[in-house]
Amino acid sequence: ETGVTQSPTHLIKTRGQQVTLRCSSQSGHNTVSWYQQALGQGPQFIFQYYREEENGRGNFPPRFSGLQFPNYSSELNVNALELDDSALYLCASSPGTSAYNEQFFGPGTRLTVL
Amino acid sequence: TQLLEQSPQFLSIQEGENLTVYCNSSSVFSSLQWYRQEPGEGPVLLVTVVTGGEVKKLKRLTFQFGDARKDSSLHITAAQPGDTGLYLCAGAGGISSGSARQLTFGSGTQLTVLP
Repeated sequence: ETGVTQSPTHLIKTRGQQVTLRCSSQSGHNTVSWYQQALGQGPQFIFQYYREEENGRGNFPPRFSGLQFPNYSSELNVNALELDDSALYLCASSPGTSAYNEQFFGPGTRLTVL
Repeated sequence: TQLLEQSPQFLSIQEGENLTVYCNSSSVFSSLQWYRQEPGEGPVLLVTVVTGGEVKKLKRLTFQFGDARKDSSLHITAAQPGDTGLYLCAGAGGISSGSARQLTFGSGTQLTVLP
């Protein structure tokens, strides 16, 4: 059974650019959640996707958007990058939408905005 | 905004010592989860506690959920270097709208166990 994978592992961008991060969910999981983890902090919920539709959103601006595909893999897009967007971006897959379901996290993508 | 505060933020102890990490909130959560995160990896779930007053034991780790479901603690007995990592608590099913689907994480406790 393949776990959650994310790509790329590291990324360097400059202010104003756009970035796309990718996540492949664990086999059998239909729900993907994205989190932002700043250095020295716990992860913050960005949004969740369930069966290709956004199913809940945290306190992040609209320039953070996402997609989920029929195979349940997902993308996180961030437009107009700001310095404060530098963080580890984690995706987590789960077998359902409830927060009570165990979420399996990928290793993350480290984004640096210069 | 629901906040989970963890203490201490950093903890460095010698192998064999005991320690307790605390997770406190002003909000009620339906359940609390504890994760451990190692460098270059995502968090890994250790335990979920769902009932006020519940105590769960996982080998040398003991987890407790407060009676009012606003706080939790993690106690490690006879810590080992392999316990080193970032320990995160996360609340699920809080009373705020939209929170049924999301985890609210604490800021973490960085534990270092020295041999």
